[in-house]
Amino acid sequence: SQTIHQWPATLVQPVGSPLSLECTVEGTSNPNLYWYRQAAGRGLQLLFYSVGIGQISSEVPQNLSASRPQDRQFILSSKKLLLSDSGFYLCAWKFHHTGNSGNTIYFGEGSWLTVV
Amino acid sequence: QKEVEQDPGPLSVPEGAIVSLNCTYSNSAFQYFMWYRQYSRKGPELLMYTYSSGNKEDGRFTAQVDKSSKYISLFIRDSQPSDSATYLCATPRAGNMLTFGGGTRLMVKP
Repeated sequence: SQTIHQWPATLVQPVGSPLSLECTVEGTSNPNLYWYRQAAGRGLQLLFYSVGIGQISSEVPQNLSASRPQDRQFILSSKKLLLSDSGFYLCAWKFHHTGNSGNTIYFGEGSWLTVV
Repeated sequence: QKEVEQDPGPLSVPEGAIVSLNCTYSNSAFQYFMWYRQYSRKGPELLMYTYSSGNKEDGRFTAQVDKSSKYISLFIRDSQPSDSATYLCATPRAGNMLTFGGGTRLMVKP
């Protein structure tokens, strides 16, 4: 079976500090990978997605970046955090091939980021 | 117009009630729909998925799609306090992505 791990679970960072959130998926190969953000009381906002190593697409221009150095590893980064970057960050994966159940996205447990 | 819309709630019901959660969508080409449940401070988990029109049942949960009105519903029978969560509907869109509704917060009171 497939599992997704995301860390750290919680972090408090000062404005202007860097950020690195990491996500790994086990039990499958060549997954599509996603980073979402969920602000308090709001819906899911897609930030980045990747269909393969080194292939990153950005949905929303901002001071965040993503990288996929390995097939099942996805990293969300920032060089300088803003107060507005606070939120709940979710990594997710889906099977690379589409099809009925292949359209399903599976989420990690999330990382709570508070920028102070 | 958002592609998928949900009433944010909160929806408060007594334990044992039948709950109806709803979404509307704008694109008639959407055929595949999912419901996710998200507990507080946790990642969303897939609850059910349905394809095209009709009903799909899984235990106390029934997902229903009405393509003519572009309306999808999730019914929860004999609701329990453990069902208290935010429920998100979603549908695939181009580019290997899902588009999500904003979520409806459900509170089931003992």
